[in-house]
Amino acid sequence: GAGVSQTPSNKVTEKGKYVELRCDPISGHTALYWYRQSLGQGPEFLIYFQGTGAADDSGLPNDRFFAVRPEGSVSTLKIQRTERGDSAVYLCASSPYRGAYNEQFFGPGTRLTVL
Amino acid sequence: AQSVTQLDSQVPVFEEAPVELRCNYSSSVSVYLFWYVQYPNQGLQLLLKYLSGSTLVKGINGFEAEFNKSQTSFHLRKPSVHISDTAEYFCAVSLIYNFNKFYFGSGTKLNVKP
Repeated sequence: GAGVSQTPSNKVTEKGKYVELRCDPISGHTALYWYRQSLGQGPEFLIYFQGTGAADDSGLPNDRFFAVRPEGSVSTLKIQRTERGDSAVYLCASSPYRGAYNEQFFGPGTRLTVL
Repeated sequence: AQSVTQLDSQVPVFEEAPVELRCNYSSSVSVYLFWYVQYPNQGLQLLLKYLSGSTLVKGINGFEAEFNKSQTSFHLRKPSVHISDTAEYFCAVSLIYNFNKFYFGSGTKLNVKP
């Protein structure tokens, strides 16, 4: 079956611009996660959705970052006034239900480059 | 605060040799432990996980890991590696009371040479 998909695969933008990154989870998965992976680092937790609501957004670095999941399926990560330090690979993952017994399935990521 | 340390950023090894990738964690509460693998241009894939029970966990592709609570370690091992095991490996932990938030190590690149 189809896995987690993320679009675009690559995004180049200029400092100060607004970007949206999209995640399509595996069909039927209720939990969705966003991570950020900077060069040479492991993924860093940003936010977790259970259904439509953000259950934990403690990893969002500042108020320029925002994520939504209005219908409990597709999610969009939004970054305002981008900065060069936002350059990273943004990963999305989904799981059937919240819980450590359920594996998080990761997408291939969106590589964001801020010039 | 929780942290995960993967001391070896790169591990070169010859094909059919054994390998151990080290992972140590720091946490004041009990944790769940995971190893993920990332092949070039692919997403992260779960290798194995420790939630409870036996401290020796077997995963896919012949990998296994052992949870050592006293040493706060969860090292990954394979007795004989293949060229196809060349990838980056990430250790991760989550707290048992907040298991949806993963803390990842910085990764170890395994390079298997013929």
